Amino acid sequence: DIQMTQSPSSLSASVGDRVTITCRASQRISSYLNWYQQKPGKAPKLLIYGASSLQSGVPSRFSGSGSGTDFTLTITSLQPEDFATYYCQQSYSTPMWTFGQGTKVEIK
Amino acid sequence: EVQLVESGGGLVQPGGSLRLSCVGSGFTFSNHWMSWVRQAPRKGLEWVANIKQDGSDKYYVDSVKGRLTISRDNAKNSLYLEMRSLRGEDTAVYYCARERDYNDTRGYFEALDFWGQGTMVTVSS
Repeated sequence: DIQMTQSPSSLSASVGDRVTITCRASQRISSYLNWYQQKPGKAPKLLIYGASSLQSGVPSRFSGSGSGTDFTLTITSLQPEDFATYYCQQSYSTPMWTFGQGTKVEIK
Repeated sequence: EVQLVESGGGLVQPGGSLRLSCVGSGFTFSNHWMSWVRQAPRKGLEWVANIKQDGSDKYYVDSVKGRLTISRDNAKNSLYLEMRSLRGEDTAVYYCARERDYNDTRGYFEALDFWGQGTMVTVSS
């Protein structure tokens, strides 16, 4: 099974900060990596698919990069509505998928 | 507008059964793989199961094999999760989600692009 490990588990940041979240796969997964945002009490929302493609309607301050085993989600100029938990998910072993454990972005 | 609405959650005793439903609207339900994803209280997301467009292929996470069964009725735009022999560790919010295929210049990708609001299942005596 492919394991996904995110770091950090949580971080504190201020509005306007640049934030970077890392996701590492236990084996090479090419670019089969998605990112989701989840706010408290709400369903997850797809942000990025294929490691770097922005889902329609997602602000351009979100970007993804990486390939193989190491991936990054970057938020440039953090906005108040971006405080949430972010999850990576591998789709390499489709149709069976796994998520990372999540990274909570909190207000400093 | 794409919508997914789950129902059927509730309190059930250990060893009991429950059937979750998810109704889709605003898209051609029969064109998409569909998934169930769960989230235990204060925990992360766990993919549980998915089913092919015509219901011919089904996949499960190991921890639910033999106890949870995914099915669909395309005539009713509905996805189901039959849950038996429930355990405390099955306590979670259960989300249904639509799988979408993306074909761009870099290749072919899949993701969960729309999610329902979730239904809570509590397994407790």
